[in-house]
Amino acid sequence: GMPVEQNPPALSLYEGAESGLRCNFSTTMKGVQWFQQNHRGRLITLFYLAQGTKENGRLKSTFNSKERYSTLHIKDAQLEDSGTYFCAVSNNNAPRFGAGTKLSVKP
Amino acid sequence: NAGVIQTPRHKVTGKGQEATLWCEPISGHSAVFWYRQTIVQGLEFLTYFRNQAPIDDSGMPKERFSAQMPNQSHSTLKIQSTQPQDSAVYLCASSLRDTGQLYFGEGSKLTVL
Repeated sequence: GMPVEQNPPALSLYEGAESGLRCNFSTTMKGVQWFQQNHRGRLITLFYLAQGTKENGRLKSTFNSKERYSTLHIKDAQLEDSGTYFCAVSNNNAPRFGAGTKLSVKP
Repeated sequence: NAGVIQTPRHKVTGKGQEATLWCEPISGHSAVFWYRQTIVQGLEFLTYFRNQAPIDDSGMPKERFSAQMPNQSHSTLKIQSTQPQDSAVYLCASSLRDTGQLYFGEGSKLTVL
């Protein structure tokens, strides 16, 4: 397989704070996708990257295929950001998922 | 565009019974993927199809599990002689291409008593 490691496993933030999540993988990948899984279990796509950096509101993601990692940065955390964040990486095959980072945002 | 549709949303079976789960991918998407999610194992890849052909089933348990894609509008995952350890949320996703962005359905939660 192609191990995918996510750090940290769990994260607690206060509203308004910011932090980064990391996804490390063992071989060069062609794409990374970040998801938020909410309390209902639905996987919501946040980003898909084949290279570089993308931003969407309070979220920003980078993908460094050469260095074998991707990051998801959340700023001005809101209560609705709580959930589990997954990265999925692919290289000419089906995407494989990391174990996720469970984010709790507290008031 | 209705997105990826999975049915049933919930299924309860007795041990030893058969369970069949259905997935309708987004129209025009050439790749269809099946994953399984449990608390212990996380999100596990099971199998995927490209243009209806099976490409990689390396994640499928060798016994009792089978997947098919008889036409471009639906795929099925069949589990024979279900066991309690098969209890999980089974997720289907489709994509324009193998390494492209995944679009997930809401999942089918299987409970084996």
